[in-house]
Amino acid sequence: DAGVIQSPRHEVTEMGQEVTLRCKPISGHNSLFWYRQTMMRGLELLIYFNNNVPIDDSGMPEDRFSAKMPNASFSTLKIQPSEPRDSAVYFCASSYRYTQYFGPGTRLTVL
Amino acid sequence: AQKVTQAQTEISVVEKEDVTLDCVYETRDTTYYLFWYKQPPSGELVFLIRRNSFDEQNEISGRYSWNFQKSTSSFNFTITASQVVDSAVYFCALSEAGGGGATNKLIFGTGTLLAVQP
Repeated sequence: DAGVIQSPRHEVTEMGQEVTLRCKPISGHNSLFWYRQTMMRGLELLIYFNNNVPIDDSGMPEDRFSAKMPNASFSTLKIQPSEPRDSAVYFCASSYRYTQYFGPGTRLTVL
Repeated sequence: AQKVTQAQTEISVVEKEDVTLDCVYETRDTTYYLFWYKQPPSGELVFLIRRNSFDEQNEISGRYSWNFQKSTSSFNFTITASQVVDSAVYFCALSEAGGGGATNKLIFGTGTLLAVQP
């Protein structure tokens, strides 16, 4: 299996622009998670889905962030408009029964 | 409330030394899962082990071993005969059981940076 796939791996954008991060989970996994990693806050959950349904989005910082999972093999995390404080590494993870496997991450830099 | 504490921020050892990374957790659930992940300098998060709350057996995998003790709410990780390739940040994490076998979110500790010097 290819593992969790994330794109792009690196994104540099300017403040105010829309950013879309993409994730393809491992085939057969029924849960998908979006995490953010920063030096100040460490690894924190943004949102997660079970069977394509959002279960907990309490970690989404504000209305500028949105996430979708239109089917079992694809999810997006969108930031609109982006701000410099959104600069971080965004990880997607998928799981089937408890163990989460992480993608390589997207390093986002907002100038 | 769930919490994971990794009190050791950084550890530096010389190759071939043994090193133990500490992890203490808090949860009110009786069923939960504990994990260790490795984050090498390349940045990916690599799953190492999962332990179920009802299984206190220690586990050994090559040079890695894990000591789970519910009485002290600890899940410590030991690397025997450390190698330079072990240099990474190691995260301990906790997940409470979701309903119907569903996966629940991970609560991560702040990580321990292990530097193995040649």
